[in-house]
Amino acid sequence: SAVISQKPSRDICQRGTSLTIQCQVDSQVTMMFWYRQQPGQSLTLIATANQGSEATYESGFVIDKFPISRPNLTFSTLTVSNMSPEDSSIYLCSVETTGFPYEQYFGPGTRLTVT
Amino acid sequence: AQKVTQAQTEISVVEKEDVTLDCVYETRDTTYYLFWYKQPPSGELVFLIRRNSFDEQNEISGRYSWNFQKSTSSFNFTITASQVVDSAVYFCALSEPLRDYKYIFGTGTRLKVLA
Repeated sequence: SAVISQKPSRDICQRGTSLTIQCQVDSQVTMMFWYRQQPGQSLTLIATANQGSEATYESGFVIDKFPISRPNLTFSTLTVSNMSPEDSSIYLCSVETTGFPYEQYFGPGTRLTVT
Repeated sequence: AQKVTQAQTEISVVEKEDVTLDCVYETRDTTYYLFWYKQPPSGELVFLIRRNSFDEQNEISGRYSWNFQKSTSSFNFTITASQVVDSAVYFCALSEPLRDYKYIFGTGTRLKVLA
């Protein structure tokens, strides 16, 4: 398993501003993922972040809105840009265990409220 | 198409009752992995179990047990003698090698255990 921390744990932001969420892992991992969980909903994958390459975004998510950095094997950031109330969600990062059996472990999440 | 269905949106039980959470999946692959996660009110996702498609043995871990049946494409989760601390949202997820092991989550089942 892996120990994952996220900062901030929660934030209230104004419409039109941007927020950068940090994800730190206690061990080196190849694959990191960013998810969004809207209130009362399931998890939706935003993008996959591999160190040394650009993030791969899922359908419906674009880099201009959700830029991601992955500077090393233990850290990643997700920025939610030009926020609107529809961006109010929990944002979670996860890491995949290196090699088989590819389990994912999740961070505690960042609760974002946009007013 | 790949899909995970958790038809039970919310279940309420009285403490010490047994409860089964249903998960039905769809996949065209012969190799795949199924997972259960628990999301307590604090928001973090807690890994409970992984099962691969070639291992149909049922598993028991304390009060938790899982029934994997390929014939019905189901991976159900039973909590025996439920406790208030079991109150959470439970997610079932599917991953496949052909989709780079990305998770597809079900919509979750909210379990309320009443004292």
